[in-house]
Amino acid sequence: QKEVEQNSGPLSVPEGAIASLNCTYSDRGSQSFFWYRQYSGKSPELIMSIYSNGDKEDGRFTAQLNKASQYVSLLIRDSQPSDSATYLCAVKIETGFQKLVFGTGTRLLVSP
Amino acid sequence: ETGVTQTPRHLVMGMTNKKSLKCEQHLGHNAMYWYKQSAKKPLELMFVYNFKEQTENNSVPSRFSPECPNSSHLFLHLHTLQPEDSALYLCASSQVPEGLAAFNEQFFGPGTRLTVL
Repeated sequence: QKEVEQNSGPLSVPEGAIASLNCTYSDRGSQSFFWYRQYSGKSPELIMSIYSNGDKEDGRFTAQLNKASQYVSLLIRDSQPSDSATYLCAVKIETGFQKLVFGTGTRLLVSP
Repeated sequence: ETGVTQTPRHLVMGMTNKKSLKCEQHLGHNAMYWYKQSAKKPLELMFVYNFKEQTENNSVPSRFSPECPNSSHLFLHLHTLQPEDSALYLCASSQVPEGLAAFNEQFFGPGTRLTVL
């Protein structure tokens, strides 16, 4: 089982819709979770961090965390074509060798 | 544009060459990281420096040698690389609260696209 799993996509949504990106992780002890956005040919850019169960909202972005289900998600409301990118989920692994593990990313395509 | 810069942005080298990648962060952070990003693979952590001390070495081959002379600068020295080392090498930094381990919110530089012939 991979430490951090994401559907590679592409996830296609029309402009104005809600995009839902999902991530599961294997380390039950993980406490820190991050979402990064990476445009093609660019470096990852931090969008959200979340540490507690529940929802965390920042503008059009909402991160959701459920530690019992080992599941973290990112919702993008009112999706724009400029949101088209690869979204990387990152989880801090606390068990054994501490490290930040990234998923392979989900590619999001927002069509006008 | 982030507060983390990397040079060079592109590098082509032969397997017998020696080269260095440079990273500088202007954010006043105290932890710096090297990552490798290959096509179709997730970002892989290579090295971590926390308060200038190397705290982690994620089983990286010795042909990669990091150096952190101060909390703002990080180097990755390369020698006798293999073609499979061709990838995007990313530097990141973060501000780690005293007493805590690294791996909090990280800010990435633009990366160095490395091609090994």
